[in-house]
Amino acid sequence: AQSVTQLDSHVSVSEGTPVLLRCNYSSSYSPSLFWYVQHPNKGLQLLLKYTSAATLVKGINGFEAEFKKSETSFHLTKPSAHMSDAAEYFCVVSERAAGNKLTFGGGTRVLVKP
Amino acid sequence: EPEVTQTPSHQVTQMGQEVILRCVPISNHLYFYWYRQILGQKVEFLVSFYNNEISEKSEIFDDQFSVERPDGSNFTLKIRSTKLEDSAMYFCASSDPGQEYFGPGTRLLVL
Repeated sequence: AQSVTQLDSHVSVSEGTPVLLRCNYSSSYSPSLFWYVQHPNKGLQLLLKYTSAATLVKGINGFEAEFKKSETSFHLTKPSAHMSDAAEYFCVVSERAAGNKLTFGGGTRVLVKP
Repeated sequence: EPEVTQTPSHQVTQMGQEVILRCVPISNHLYFYWYRQILGQKVEFLVSFYNNEISEKSEIFDDQFSVERPDGSNFTLKIRSTKLEDSAMYFCASSDPGQEYFGPGTRLLVL
């Protein structure tokens, strides 16, 4: 069975400072991992994905995430937060053995202060 | 870029009424999904659909729910007799083998 834990339900950062969103996963098989962002009243937008290639994955809007198998982590980072980064972020795991269905973490709401 | 579309964007219904949520997946995708997100909660898997049949469903997806691909392009979720607790955002997704693409969602409010 697969599961995802996002360690922070809320993160508050100042504009221009780094952002770190933590995610740990559990999976019986080699998983695919994703980060999605959801802006208020909008749908889910894919930020980046890991599918067993390079462990450091670069995504859109300056975000990147590192897959660490030994730590079962897939933390999302951005060196410098922008006001437009205020949103909810979901860490997601998918296993081919699970029919490729996605299992979502609880989400981390990011607040960016000017 | 191709995208998944969903209609309607919002729907308000009375408890006990039937609703049909519609989705048009990306045309060459073979896997289709419905997820829902109750306000303030995490996104939950409902059902996956492949080769014209359900491939997996969650505990949430009880007999009140059904899915259909009636015409080769649309993918629908029907709730037969809505309950208050069905109020949520419903997301459709379709996938190629590597990635799921989500629609913008239908916000369902059951009164």
